Amino acid sequence: DAGITQSPRHKVTETGTPVTLRCHQTENHRYMYWYRQDPGHGLRLIHYSYGVKDTDKGEVSDGYSVSRSKTEDFLLTLESATSSQTSVYFCAISAKATPRQPQHFGDGTRLSIL
Amino acid sequence: AQTVTQSQPEMSVQEAETVTLSCTYDTSESDYYLFWYKQPPSRQMILVIRQEAYKQQNATENRFSVNFQKAAKSFSLKISDSQLGDAAMYFCAFAQGGSEKLVFGKGTKLTVNP
Repeated sequence: DAGITQSPRHKVTETGTPVTLRCHQTENHRYMYWYRQDPGHGLRLIHYSYGVKDTDKGEVSDGYSVSRSKTEDFLLTLESATSSQTSVYFCAISAKATPRQPQHFGDGTRLSIL
Repeated sequence: AQTVTQSQPEMSVQEAETVTLSCTYDTSESDYYLFWYKQPPSRQMILVIRQEAYKQQNATENRFSVNFQKAAKSFSLKISDSQLGDAAMYFCAFAQGGSEKLVFGKGTKLTVNP
C-alpha cells in the first residue's frame, strides 16, 4: 500500500473555527490532491499540488486553502469552518501528471462541523 | 467539462453470481482513461481496474472485467463469482490523457447476499 497518512482521522469542531487537515506521504510523489466525499456527489477535487509551493484549484475550492512547504506534506485549511464543509476528506498522491500513474488514496478524515 | 454518470445508486447480488455496474461518461476528447474504484466500509479507496481509451481490448483483473463501449461512452464493470468481500461502494472515474485530475461518478452501493 502507498504510504499515505491523513491526520486526524476524525474531528468534530464548531462553526467559525479554523481547521487544518494534514496529508503525509512517504513515497516522494510529486503530485498530491485533496478531495471531499459527500453522499450523492462522489468525490470532488478541492485543490491539488504539482510540487513544493505549487498548487492549483479544483472543482470545489471555495472556502479552502492549501499549502505544501515540503514534498511529503500537503495541508488543507478551512479558515472559518461552516456546516456545509462537514464531509469526509481524502488525500491522494501520484508520481506523474498522467492517468497512467493512478492516484493512491489515504484513509480519509471525517470532519464534522457543528 | 467531462461528466461521469452512475445510474444505479444501489445494486445487490447473490454470492457466487455475476453483477454488472453501469457507468456512462461524456467527453469530446479522444485520449482518456477510465477507472473503477472500490470503497469498502473501511473507507479506503482501492483501484479495481483501469481502461485506456485507445485500447480496444477490455481490461480484466481476475474476477473483475469491463465492457468498454467507446462509441456509446459506456464503461460497465462486471464482477463474476461475487464474494461477500465485494460488498462496497463502487465509483467510476474519468481522467483526460495528460491530466492528473479525476472526475468521479456518484457511486453505486453493492450489497452481496449470502
